[in-house]
Amino acid sequence: GQQVMQIPQYQHVQEGEDFTTYCNSSTTLSNIQWYKQRPGGHPVFLIQLVKSGEVKKQKRLTFQFGEAKKNSSLHITATQTTDVGTYFCGTALIFGKGTTLSVSS
Amino acid sequence: DVKVTQSSRYLVKRTGEKVFLECVQDMDHENMFWYRQDPGLGLRLIYFSYDVKMKEKGDIPEGYSVSREKKERFSLILESASTNQTSMYLCASSSGLAGVANEQFFGPGTRLTVL
Repeated sequence: GQQVMQIPQYQHVQEGEDFTTYCNSSTTLSNIQWYKQRPGGHPVFLIQLVKSGEVKKQKRLTFQFGEAKKNSSLHITATQTTDVGTYFCGTALIFGKGTTLSVSS
Repeated sequence: DVKVTQSSRYLVKRTGEKVFLECVQDMDHENMFWYRQDPGLGLRLIYFSYDVKMKEKGDIPEGYSVSREKKERFSLILESASTNQTSMYLCASSSGLAGVANEQFFGPGTRLTVL
């Protein structure tokens, strides 16, 4: 069946360093969504990408959707302690397992 | 603000009990979803519904059933709870077609422990 893989599973960075998480689907996606889940919280929507090759920015966060619409990435520039959490990619029907980011100051 | 509410934040049940988890959304969304979240396994889809009285199996429907009698309410039922169903259960809702749904709004989750 369809699979969505996310790497890395865990990432620890020093505050101020950059961070990237990658999402790969076994099949072409119609769209891809990204969510952030803070420790003890529930997933909160960040963004949806629909077009091949699409790039969207939200302040320090940059999201990309691959040309083949099978992969995506989330890049955070100059991480802050408020970026701590687990980042999920996927569609409503299937999600990756998430990348958990920890940040030390 | 969209609100998705779940009936309980914490629930403790005994093996073999019938368990009902309720989810209510207030934004007239067509789609509603039930996921379970376990450490290292991410979010796994149990069932979803794209309309009243309609339901579709997700990746892990075994041991669960659902009911959607009203548009705003989606219930998850564990017919006979087992210890391997101890988990965090998350409900979500969204507008649009289920396969290309718009952003999902998640409830706060129910942490179910089955003893």
